[in-house]
Amino acid sequence: DSGVTQTPKHLITATGQRVTLRCSPRSGDLSVYWYQQSLDQGLQFLIQYYNGEERAKGNILERFSAQQFPDLHSELNLSSLELGDSALYFCASSVQMNTEAFFGQGTRLTVV
Amino acid sequence: GDSVTQMEGPVTLSEEAFLTINCTYTATGYPSLFWYVQYPGEGLQLLLKATKADDKGSNKGFEATYRKETTSFHLEKGSVQVSDSAVYFCALTSKRTGNQFYFGTGTSLTVIP
Repeated sequence: DSGVTQTPKHLITATGQRVTLRCSPRSGDLSVYWYQQSLDQGLQFLIQYYNGEERAKGNILERFSAQQFPDLHSELNLSSLELGDSALYFCASSVQMNTEAFFGQGTRLTVV
Repeated sequence: GDSVTQMEGPVTLSEEAFLTINCTYTATGYPSLFWYVQYPGEGLQLLLKATKADDKGSNKGFEATYRKETTSFHLEKGSVQVSDSAVYFCALTSKRTGNQFYFGTGTSLTVIP
């Protein structure tokens, strides 16, 4: 158990809908990362937060947004969902930037 | 930009065979290097790390040495077990990458009895 908690574990939703994925980092970790993992794209970095502020942005679509709250948990919002958004979404946390990251078990999103 | 290149898979080995998974990196500055492992249906787990040149990371019989002269961080294990079957990812991060983690494409390992 990495100490990073993601909910829900599985999500099935229809095209055009909006979902929210939640991540609770390890106790004491200030940095949160979001990744998308799909069979054809591999592991894609989406966005990073550090102590509530956005610090790095990767291949995140405009339909996607995220935030980190004062209690350091983070949410990833995916809207106007398309079939191609079906993937595993991972959250990771680290105590500081540039140190090892610990991953949650992921949320498997299926868009039908 | 910074990047990580891993050897293509899949790799299939017999139990007790020697494992090498190659990883090379491109980076400006001095990145930290990591190996992560992903078992089926699970998230990525940190396997080992090295934060400066000539550091050797080790865990569960796996080893990797940070070689700045060859920009490599190859993963090795002397005797693999069936339970080592998983996907292995090489990764780097540094202040110069904006503290993003750059992952390789992953190498799938299957160990047969």
